[in-house]
Amino acid sequence: AQKITQTQPGMFVQEKEAVTLDCTYDTSDPSYGLFWYKQPSSGEMIFLIYQGSYDQQNATEGRYSLNFQKARKSANLVISASQLGDSAMYFCAMREGRNYGQNFVFGPGTRLSVLP
Amino acid sequence: GAVVSQHPSRVICKSGTSVKIECRSLDFQATTMFWYRQFPKQSLMLMATSNEGSKATYEQGVEKDKFLINHASLTLSTLTVTSAHPEDSSFYICSAKQPGPSSGQPQHFGDGTRLSIL
Repeated sequence: AQKITQTQPGMFVQEKEAVTLDCTYDTSDPSYGLFWYKQPSSGEMIFLIYQGSYDQQNATEGRYSLNFQKARKSANLVISASQLGDSAMYFCAMREGRNYGQNFVFGPGTRLSVLP
Repeated sequence: GAVVSQHPSRVICKSGTSVKIECRSLDFQATTMFWYRQFPKQSLMLMATSNEGSKATYEQGVEKDKFLINHASLTLSTLTVTSAHPEDSSFYICSAKQPGPSSGQPQHFGDGTRLSIL
């Protein structure tokens, strides 16, 4: 079973509009972290935002916010006021447990295209 | 923020050549680094976990003798693709996590290496 699901292979949004990128996850571990990364066409992975399983509030980081619904096991990324530079692949990732060395599991990604 | 440097960024070489890719954590010590492979339009696939001073842990299906990993110091891990063939052409990217018990520490990625085998 997929641990991370991103059901939107591609998304379009008009510049200056907000967009939500979906992410659902599957884990039986009560302790986990959820991460979003942006990958432009140049290939580097840029860390955007983090949400811990015990965090009471939704994470926010500038124009990025995370709509964390624990009961639904979803951690959707909201980008407000989209910019042309936001066009990229976006990956949702999860780390389970408190083990420092624990690896990430990545979702399949969503390609976001911002239209002028 | 934490920086991970990966070198080279692009390699084009003939079939049968061995290629070494370096991953360095520039401002922190990384006891664990991760090596990923990414095919076009796909997600990152973990190849192996590199542990400083010990053998790497490889994911199922990844050939240990094909993809040699050496983590000789707390700031350097290398991936060597031995006797590379065209099917090894891919984007390889490494990552490292800053020390600390918090599960909230993100992995910091290198900029990746685009490997093309002719």
